[in-house]
Amino acid sequence: DTEVTQTPKHLVMGMTNKKSLKCEQHMGHRAMYWYKQKAKKPPELMFVYSYEKLSINESVPSRFSPECPNSSLLNLHLHALQPEDSALYLCASSQEVRSVYGYTFGSGTRLTVV
Amino acid sequence: QKEVEQNSGPLSVPEGAIASLNCTYSDRGSQSFFWYRQYSGKSPELIMSIYSNGDKEDGRFTAQLNKASQYVSLLIRDSQPSDSATYLCAVKRVSGGNEKLTFGTGTRLTIIP
Repeated sequence: DTEVTQTPKHLVMGMTNKKSLKCEQHMGHRAMYWYKQKAKKPPELMFVYSYEKLSINESVPSRFSPECPNSSLLNLHLHALQPEDSALYLCASSQEVRSVYGYTFGSGTRLTVV
Repeated sequence: QKEVEQNSGPLSVPEGAIASLNCTYSDRGSQSFFWYRQYSGKSPELIMSIYSNGDKEDGRFTAQLNKASQYVSLLIRDSQPSDSATYLCAVKRVSGGNEKLTFGTGTRLTIIP
């Protein structure tokens, strides 16, 4: 299994809603990442998890709350988002943090905040 | 100076020709270099990794790295319409307890049938 699976693929939520994005990988990777990508821009790093512990938070607003229940799963909990948070949210994994290897990205969740 | 620079394009190449994509980076401590392909509305897909100076070939793709010039390139031979996408150059540095993967803004490639 060489995939990173993200659900849902599309999500529309109101500014008062609470929702969660899910990411799963079964490649034995110990590093997992959340990225945000706006149209015609490169991906921007949000969070890094290494061995299920949060190691990097790129000054992301608290309305985004990551969680890593186990080595295969990564969640991103969303609450009180703003319309400008609408974007493609990408999960990625790699063998481990501080390796030379690249990241494998999931197919992403297209989020629209209304 | 941007950390990773790419020509945003669009770059138009006739079908069957060679497409040449270029990338420069500013951090001399960078250790790993990647090319990602991203179709419109889709996620980035890793197509080439290169770690040492020289050329690395994989099918129709060749990555070239010159650390002295801080330059990475991607050549696509026998370009096909399905190669039309945005190509993201990414550069990785690992130092101490941290790593940093930095993306360029991408080059939009169009293959003309």
